[in-house]
Amino acid sequence: QSGLTQPPSASGTPGQRVTISCSGSSSNIGRNYIYWYQQVPRTAPKLLIYRNNQRPSGVPDRFSASTSGTSASLVISGLRSEDEADYYCAAWDDSLSGYVVFGGGTTLTVL
Amino acid sequence: QLQLQESGPGLVKSSETLSLTCTVSGGSISSSPYYWGWIRQPRGKGLEWIGRIFHSGDTYYNPSLKSRVTISVDTSKNQFSLKLSSVTAADTGVYYCARQESITGTAAHFDSWGQGTLVTVSS
Repeated sequence: QSGLTQPPSASGTPGQRVTISCSGSSSNIGRNYIYWYQQVPRTAPKLLIYRNNQRPSGVPDRFSASTSGTSASLVISGLRSEDEADYYCAAWDDSLSGYVVFGGGTTLTVL
Repeated sequence: QLQLQESGPGLVKSSETLSLTCTVSGGSISSSPYYWGWIRQPRGKGLEWIGRIFHSGDTYYNPSLKSRVTISVDTSKNQFSLKLSSVTAADTGVYYCARQESITGTAAHFDSWGQGTLVTVSS
């Protein structure tokens, strides 16, 4: 049983564009939607992107995402201090009997 | 506005059973196409999906936890519950309940979360 792979950390200065990657396999990202979550310390995760590239109401359009094959990327443009948080990718994995798999999370630091 | 609230003991002894309940308010647990799930997070670590249930009682569990997990639903109380047996220190962490939107039940789409509850397994 393998998870999705994310870099443990990322950073940027205010106004910059930051990309967080998420690598999976043919049994998860390769055939199912990817989702992205933002978790500010000591709070519950919040849905940031759904069905690969859709933003829920209230999520700024500075957040965008894309997929290619078995990989996905989250892009944050015009970085702001309040974007400092942990970011997780997630997808359904069709292997075994099927389950939700999360990435290990990427801690974004705004310098 | 939909709200989810976890409740249950914050301290469980090793080898015993962890039991948590999630109370849903502001919406019906029987509404479609929603499933109801549990996710946990060891301190300082990432998220792990435990499993989910539909209001009919249909369940799906993480294969790595399947032998120890039971999720049940009580539609009359608008609640669903988690039982995790034979716990060890590795089961210590914050446990979240969440609403999982999916027509097929096979999507990592959690659009509403509880605030989370810390469960510590003691020896």
